[in-house]
Amino acid sequence: KNEVEQSPQNLTAQEGEFITINCSYSVGISALHWLQQHPGGGIVSLFMLSSGKKKHGRLIATINIQEKHSSLHITASHPRDSAVYICAVTGGGGADGLTFGKGTHLIIQP
Amino acid sequence: EPEVTQTPSHQVTQMGQEVILRCVPISNHLYFYWYRQILGQKVEFLVSFYNNEISEKSEIFDDQFSVERPDGSNFTLKIRSTKLEDSAMYFCASSDRGSGNQPQHFGDGTRLSIL
Repeated sequence: KNEVEQSPQNLTAQEGEFITINCSYSVGISALHWLQQHPGGGIVSLFMLSSGKKKHGRLIATINIQEKHSSLHITASHPRDSAVYICAVTGGGGADGLTFGKGTHLIIQP
Repeated sequence: EPEVTQTPSHQVTQMGQEVILRCVPISNHLYFYWYRQILGQKVEFLVSFYNNEISEKSEIFDDQFSVERPDGSNFTLKIRSTKLEDSAMYFCASSDRGSGNQPQHFGDGTRLSIL
């Protein structure tokens, strides 16, 4: 069973700061997902990674398969980035469910 | 952009009653999932469904739970005899390929409250 750990659990930063959220997992995976959950509860997929790096707008996600570690970066953070960011992994390529971390609660203050 | 839709958004039910949570996945997707999130806790996998059958289920998904795809569009989760500890947010998700190959698209969730 994969254990997914995220750090920090809570992060408060000022608008414009560079944000880094970390995720580590215990067992080899086929893919890692970064998700965003807003206060209303809805979950949005941000990235799916199996190697290297992906960028979308101000968001960058990296993964190191050997180290079993991934990071999510937010550049030029904005109050609208305030949300819970969740790391989730899957071991298989079929209809395997995701194993989730507890999430990082991010607050960006103006 | 196509969306996964879930109904109802909030369901209040007496303990011991049956409840059915409904989901309409994105139309060309082939893989379907149910997850739950107890208040203040992490999201947990319940079950996945592919090719008209359960593909994988977690230890949470015991005999009181069942899933069905009764027609070409709906995907339902039934809880046969609800317990207080079933109170949670339930999320449906779908993808057009397996979870190692494609992101999952989530609905907004159904908040289930058991009294």
